[in-house]
Amino acid sequence: DIQMTQSPSTLSASVGDRVTITCRASQSLTSWLAWYQQKPGKAPKLLIYKTSSLESGVPSRFSGSGSGTEFTLTISSLQPDDFATYYCQKYNSYFWTFGQGTKVEIK
Amino acid sequence: EVQLVESGGGLVQPGGSLRLSCVASGFTVSREYMSWVRQAPGKGLEWVSVIYSGGSTYYADSVKGRFTISRDNSKNTLELQMSSLRADDTAVYYCVRVRWDLPGWAWGQGTLVTVSS
Repeated sequence: DIQMTQSPSTLSASVGDRVTITCRASQSLTSWLAWYQQKPGKAPKLLIYKTSSLESGVPSRFSGSGSGTEFTLTISSLQPDDFATYYCQKYNSYFWTFGQGTKVEIK
Repeated sequence: EVQLVESGGGLVQPGGSLRLSCVASGFTVSREYMSWVRQAPGKGLEWVSVIYSGGSTYYADSVKGRFTISRDNSKNTLELQMSSLRADDTAVYYCVRVRWDLPGWAWGQGTLVTVSS
């Protein structure tokens, strides 16, 4: 089964910073890769689906890219509301899986 | 408006069974890809199961043979029958509408399952 590894596990950044989170797959993937944001005590919120498609209502400062075994989520200018934990998820075929998460903290 | 509301969680003894339900509104469950995802206290997200619109079902290795995902089309509901429950099944369980390559995905608010004696 394909494993998803996110890096870094924790990221300290300031408002206005450009932030990049990486998700690496143990085998080459198709484009069925999603990114979520989760805040404490809340359900996850979809940001990106199909590697680079922005979910409705999600600010354009979020973007996704990648192919093969390496995928990235980029926040172009970090806002106070963006401090949260982010997860990637492979979705297709018979085995779906999440990365272990990246916590974005205030520097 | 699309909405998912889970229910059925609670305290159950190890080895016991529980049935979770997720009532959907604003769309038809049988026409969508629907998934269960769980999150143990203080841990990350773990995919549990998915049912495709065509009816195919898939499970994480950790629950295979113990959990069964299904749909009740008459109630527009997604269900998860859980048996032989273990302490490490303790988690908040979320149902998720997966739109694959379209916008409009949705998550429920979650229901807490606690497995303890």
